Amino acid sequence: QSVVTQPPSASGTPGQRVTISCSGSSSNIGNNYVYWYQQFPGTAPKLLIYGNSQRSSGVPDRFSGSKSGTSASLAISGLRSEDEADYYCATWDERLSGYVVFGGGTKLTVL
Amino acid sequence: EVQLVESGGGLVQPGRSLRLSCAASGFMFDDYAMHWVRQAPGKGLEWVSGISSKSHIIGYADSVKGRFTISRDNAKNSLYLQMNSLRAEDTALYFCAKDGYSSSSGEIDYWGQGTLVTVSS
Repeated sequence: QSVVTQPPSASGTPGQRVTISCSGSSSNIGNNYVYWYQQFPGTAPKLLIYGNSQRSSGVPDRFSGSKSGTSASLAISGLRSEDEADYYCATWDERLSGYVVFGGGTKLTVL
Repeated sequence: EVQLVESGGGLVQPGRSLRLSCAASGFMFDDYAMHWVRQAPGKGLEWVSGISSKSHIIGYADSVKGRFTISRDNAKNSLYLQMNSLRAEDTALYFCAKDGYSSSSGEIDYWGQGTLVTVSS
């Protein structure tokens, strides 16, 4: 079980706005940047959002990230079929022996 | 173009060892921290280990601490993961990944395609 929690699934219809949450604590999200990754089946993850809300190069402005307290969110507006993928949040955890912790991932389905 | 190419995966018996390698190109390798991230079949991403640009700072997930050792050779633009005392639960696709900074930040901006490790008798 990850110390950072995401809903296992989310869904929406084309054109809708969907949000994916990422919940943690003061030792991780509360005091550190949050990153979001997109992964299609059989491929490597891709950095979508860094520094809580900055879009990585080439990422459409339909994708946006935010953080408040010990939670973060990824919002996708104008949902498209090609957005169907797994989405992971990640951050730094100050309690663990290591550094990086990923959320469990959210499978986004476009209905 | 940034390229990260993993090698060294395969089928190994429980309790045995394996060494993964990652050949990096297209960027100043000795300026950036590097990571190993794994993904068990049908599961999510799990950070395994990270190493700063000059190897001064190293970290491990609790699940591999004491069994895995990360290292890098900046002269060869290469990252390594020595995996000892392998367990069935170590079965996963192992990704080599580049950090956006010289110290591990969690901002992983490039990923390799992964090398599959299967631990089974």
